[in-house]
Amino acid sequence: QMQLRESGPGLLKPSETLSLTCIVSGGSISSGSYWWNWIRQPAGKGLEWIGRISTSVSASYNPSLKSRVTISVDASNKQFSLKLTSVTAADTAVYYCAREDGTSWNRLDSWGQGTLVTVSS
Amino acid sequence: DIQMTQSPSSLSASVGDRVTIGCRASQSINSYLNWYQQKPGKAPNVLIYGASSLQTGVPSRFSGSGSGTDFTLTITSLQPEDFATYYCQQSYTTPWTFGQGTKVEIK
Repeated sequence: QMQLRESGPGLLKPSETLSLTCIVSGGSISSGSYWWNWIRQPAGKGLEWIGRISTSVSASYNPSLKSRVTISVDASNKQFSLKLTSVTAADTAVYYCAREDGTSWNRLDSWGQGTLVTVSS
Repeated sequence: DIQMTQSPSSLSASVGDRVTIGCRASQSINSYLNWYQQKPGKAPNVLIYGASSLQTGVPSRFSGSGSGTDFTLTITSLQPEDFATYYCQQSYTTPWTFGQGTKVEIK
């Protein structure tokens, strides 16, 4: 069964760069049928899509974050990563990685447990 | 971006009730509409994809309908484990966007 797990620092200062990694197990990251997504959720609020990548197609990003976001994939180590530059308190959220099934309505069918990132001076 | 609007934002219901949640897209998304359930402190889980297909392992009391711009999630007989927040999501075109959520609470 596919499992995803986020890792990375939980506390950042304003203007720093957020770096998170999602490790994929129980399946292949290299299948062209899947996209690998990052989504975030501020406390008590809704879900915001950050972007996605596949091993065969370049990344796409939410225009609201595009100038600050980079998503990359390391297929050999079965992981993909998120970098978000110049963070502010508004970037404080639980960050999720998720697999998207491109063969079936682009549903997000496997999620990591989420990792809380807090931006505070 | 495609805006997704859910109604209501919250509702109170009893075990055994039939519950209906609506989701409207700001433009046609064909049937590219997915529903997720999220419990406190947990990641969302997909319930319905393609507007009406039941995800493997999800109880049959959950169903989805609609196409174009208007969609509905129905729970036919609410169970204690169904008290949660539900989100719709359009997967027609990026950026993927979610509704604001509907919190289903115990009456």
